[in-house]
Parts: sequence; C-alpha cells; structure tokens
Amino acid sequence: DQQVKQNSPSLSVQEGRISILNCDYTNSMFDYFLWYKKYPAEGPTFLISISSIKDKNEDGRFTVFLNKSAKHLSLHSVPSPPGDSAVYFCAASAWRANQGGKLIFGQGTELSVKP
Amino acid sequence: EAGVTQFPSHSVIEKGQTVTLRCDPISGHDNLYWYRRVMGKEIKFLLHFVKESKQDESGMPNNRFLAERTGGTYSTLKVQPAELEDSGVYFCASSQVRQGMTEAFFGQGTRLTVV
Repeated sequence: DQQVKQNSPSLSVQEGRISILNCDYTNSMFDYFLWYKKYPAEGPTFLISISSIKDKNEDGRFTVFLNKSAKHLSLHSVPSPPGDSAVYFCAASAWRANQGGKLIFGQGTELSVKP
Repeated sequence: EAGVTQFPSHSVIEKGQTVTLRCDPISGHDNLYWYRRVMGKEIKFLLHFVKESKQDESGMPNNRFLAERTGGTYSTLKVQPAELEDSGVYFCASSQVRQGMTEAFFGQGTRLTVV
C-alpha cells in the first residue's frame, strides 16, 4: 500500500528550464509534506516543506505547491548542473494524528540536469 | 554543529551473523528515527525514539531487529541473526521536539550487505 507515490522514476531537464517534480498521496491524515534531495552514498538532505494549511511555500530556488483536494504536491525549481542532478524524494507525515515525525516516502525521482 | 553520524558506513556480513549499527543524532535532538532503503526502492520507516523511549516501532520487520537508545543519546540497531533480505541502506535521522512541524536531518547511512 503505497501512500506516497512519485510516478516518474526519472526526469531530464535542460539547464535554465523549470523542473517540476510531482508527488501524489492517498492518506488524508497527512498534514506535513517535505522534499529531500539525495546523492549516491549520502543521506537525504532536506530541501523544503509545506504544512497542509498552506498551498504554496517558497524557499530560495525551490517552490512547493500543495493541492489538498487532489492530494497532490509538486516541487518547482530552476536547476543547475551538475549539483542539482540527484534523486528527489517526496515525504509526508501525519503530525496531528500523533504520528510524531514519522515520514512516509515516495519512491524518488532521479533528476538529470543537462548543461 | 555536527550532523547525524552513522557507523559503520559499510558492513558486509554472512547470513546468520550479528551486526550492530550505530547512530549519533544531532546534539539536543530528542527525536531519533531509523529508516531503511532496500534495492533502490522507497525509504521505509522502521522506528521512532523520543529520548530513550520507543514512540513507534511499527516499521520493524521482525524480532531479529532490536533498537536501543540508552540515555537518550546515541542509538544502536542490532540485527541478529542477519538474513539475505536484510541487505540495504539503513538511515538514521533526528529532529527537535517542539511545537509545530519540523524537518528531520539524516545521516549518511550504513550500507549493509548480507551474503
């Protein structure tokens, strides 16, 4: 039962173009969503988060949009090679349901940024 | 400030042997989580400590896995006896306990290979 889904295993984008990574979830109890970036042989690095009371959050080069009715979120950025080529994970948690900070992750999308 | 540190970075053991993984969270972080990624799939939750108490261990695969966090500082995850399907990358993460939602910071992971 995959509660968080990233349906694109990989994505290629040209440098300077907008990258949009998508994530869908099924559990309506989720109220906090995060994006992490991961390089090979390293742990995930936090990028940006959004609470379910918002529909948009911006932090530097990253913008996350949340559509609660569609149970969908997306990460928008203008990536630069080679540092932004990585696997991007969407994650969700249900804070108000006393789930603490337990994160449910999607399968990840491998982003390749071409110069 | 030091990040989340995990030891060892890589471990190769034979089926039936015992392995102990260690995690040192960020100082002051009372939340500590263990996750596992198997065969490049999604990152899956194993368990959650708040200080020395197990808050949620719903993700532990079976009783061959034992996690401890004596004194509420570092944590260990022991696998005894190890099976082939236990191979994967084990991540530890930590976060502060405070009102509101907060992101977790991950260590670099321990790659466990059971042969």
